[in-house]
Amino acid sequence: KQEVTQIPAALSVPEGENLVLNCSFTDSAIYNLQWFRQDPGKGLTSLLLIQSSQREQTSGRLNASLDKSSGRSTLYIAASQPGDSATYLCAVTGTASKLTFGTGTRLQVTL
Amino acid sequence: GAVVSQHPSWVICKSGTSVKIECRSLDFQATTMFWYRQFPKQSLMLMATSNEGSKATYEQGVEKDKFLINHASLTLSTLTVTSAHPEDSSFYICSAPLLGPDYEQYFGPGTRLTVT
Repeated sequence: KQEVTQIPAALSVPEGENLVLNCSFTDSAIYNLQWFRQDPGKGLTSLLLIQSSQREQTSGRLNASLDKSSGRSTLYIAASQPGDSATYLCAVTGTASKLTFGTGTRLQVTL
Repeated sequence: GAVVSQHPSWVICKSGTSVKIECRSLDFQATTMFWYRQFPKQSLMLMATSNEGSKATYEQGVEKDKFLINHASLTLSTLTVTSAHPEDSSFYICSAPLLGPDYEQYFGPGTRLTVT
């Protein structure tokens, strides 16, 4: 059974800092990995999708990497802003298009 | 990008009543949709896979007689929480893959269910 873990569970950084969120998964047989953002009481916003054959994806200040063999992904956020405050979730796609979500990282960016 | 809608966005019901939540793919057809549940401060847990034209498949520990799923058309799946209890209060989210498992899944905005 796939298990996805995210470290740290919570993170508070001052505005402007670069930061890294970690995601690890136990079964490397995945189709892809997605990073999502979730604001309190809201749905999911897709940030980045990395196919299993890819090593990284970039979108603006976000960069996600994938090391499928070791079961790890990182989400790098450059020059953090207060608007980046949210919960970040990673999820891996397995057989039958099922997603397994990680435990989430609650990020707070302070002024 | 593709759009998935949910209705209602929030609902309050009394214990013992049933509640229906709709999930629609607005600009694409989805033979498969997924239903997730999220308790406060927890991550999303897959409840079931909704299959157009056939029975839904449920994850271990999810009561199929309590959470009825009907995939009536290629753009609509419904989740009915029967005889709801306060412990069913949660955030329910659906998703649909645009194409196959290699592709991004699109999520609805979620439905907040509160059972009093």
